[in-house]
Amino acid sequence: EADIYQTPRYLVIGTGKKITLECSQTMGHDKMYWYQQDPGMELHLIHYSYGVNSTEKGDLSSESTVSRIRTEHFPLTLESARPSHTSQYLCASSQPGTGRSYNEQFFGPGTRLTVL
Amino acid sequence: AQRVTQPEKLLSVFKGAPVELKCNYSYSGSPELFWYVQYSRQRLQLLLRHISRESIKGFTADLNKGETSFHLKKPFAQEEDSAMYYCALRDSNSGYALNFGKGTSLLVTP
Repeated sequence: EADIYQTPRYLVIGTGKKITLECSQTMGHDKMYWYQQDPGMELHLIHYSYGVNSTEKGDLSSESTVSRIRTEHFPLTLESARPSHTSQYLCASSQPGTGRSYNEQFFGPGTRLTVL
Repeated sequence: AQRVTQPEKLLSVFKGAPVELKCNYSYSGSPELFWYVQYSRQRLQLLLRHISRESIKGFTADLNKGETSFHLKKPFAQEEDSAMYYCALRDSNSGYALNFGKGTSLLVTP
């Protein structure tokens, strides 16, 4: 079944550790996005990609990095986690389509990261 | 600058009452607006978009360019409508990502 997956769902880690949040989609979408959401706040775009080998920074400055080596995979990496990185990270994908699916973004379940 | 404002953090209504979730936007071009919903323990999902001019689960939203608003309405709220609702504006400058409002938590009580 076509879907978008994120692992892990929850992560508690100590300061200074390197972490990678995984995002994979089986929807065949070209465009993928990472959003960051603090509790009670709006989602902020931190990274996006038009397709393979394309990565761009979003509106919210982030110390994380992303890569897009395969269409279906868009991992996010923090080289040295800090408490300020504690947040929820949402991955999404979209594809120009027709009708109701036109440019609709599909979201993963999210990763809730806590850095101690 | 593009911005989406949802002035109400929490909206509580009784079952059967009308509900209106407010959304205002600022955008210099021709906006494309969406309402996304997140039910408890579920992921964020599209509810409706202004281009489609459709009614989904009894909800409608009309784009008012004069008032720069895209309010979400339902004439008779149901308990299963309780959720977090986000208004979003498509950003043509960032890979067509979405600019989200802070969200409104709708609680429908019996």
